[in-house]
Amino acid sequence: GESVGLHLPTLSVQEGDNSIINCAYSNSASDYFIWYKQESGKGPQFIIDIRSNMDKRQGQRVTVLLNKTVKHLSLQIAATQPGDSAVYFCAENNNNDMRFGAGTRLTVKP
Amino acid sequence: DTEVTQTPKHLVMGMTNKKSLKCEQHMGHRAMYWYKQKAKKPPELMFVYSYEKLSINESVPSRFSPECPNSSLLNLHLHALQPEDSALYLCASSQDYPVNQPQHFGDGTRLSIL
Repeated sequence: GESVGLHLPTLSVQEGDNSIINCAYSNSASDYFIWYKQESGKGPQFIIDIRSNMDKRQGQRVTVLLNKTVKHLSLQIAATQPGDSAVYFCAENNNNDMRFGAGTRLTVKP
Repeated sequence: DTEVTQTPKHLVMGMTNKKSLKCEQHMGHRAMYWYKQKAKKPPELMFVYSYEKLSINESVPSRFSPECPNSSLLNLHLHALQPEDSALYLCASSQDYPVNQPQHFGDGTRLSIL
């Protein structure tokens, strides 16, 4: 049978809608968090970061929210476009140990 | 175009071959990294170089041997690899280490072991 982890969590949205990608991180002592976008055949590309002394940070069309109480990170993409289709990874840093989450595949339907 | 350049883009090698992966950045970054990424999985850290010295080795088998000839270059020497070593190998750099800052990734070398 299939084992957990063979399939990425997926999110499918309509072009123009807003997307929310969630990430549960593991270590309450983590002090820095990053979202990366990885398109097929390419390396991860930095999107936005946030430090643990903040709970929200905005970029161009993207917002990252950090909830330290429940160890949850989210990436909001406004007006999602076909070019946003990719795998999105969160990463947490604790004491110089940067770890990536499992990733979410975002598919944007035209 | 990525600012971290990796060569070759694809590599097929037998288990007895010796080959090297190369990575170059000209952003003046002083920290460089090797990651391994299997299909549908996140990147896994292998090595960290800071100021041309090996800072982190994540218990990587000795058949992988990193080298940092200067602050712009990072190599990964491969010898006697196993089929399970087939993966995408990513190089990254950051301004310095520790990593409370974004890493810049290359597009990787896709390695296939026959």
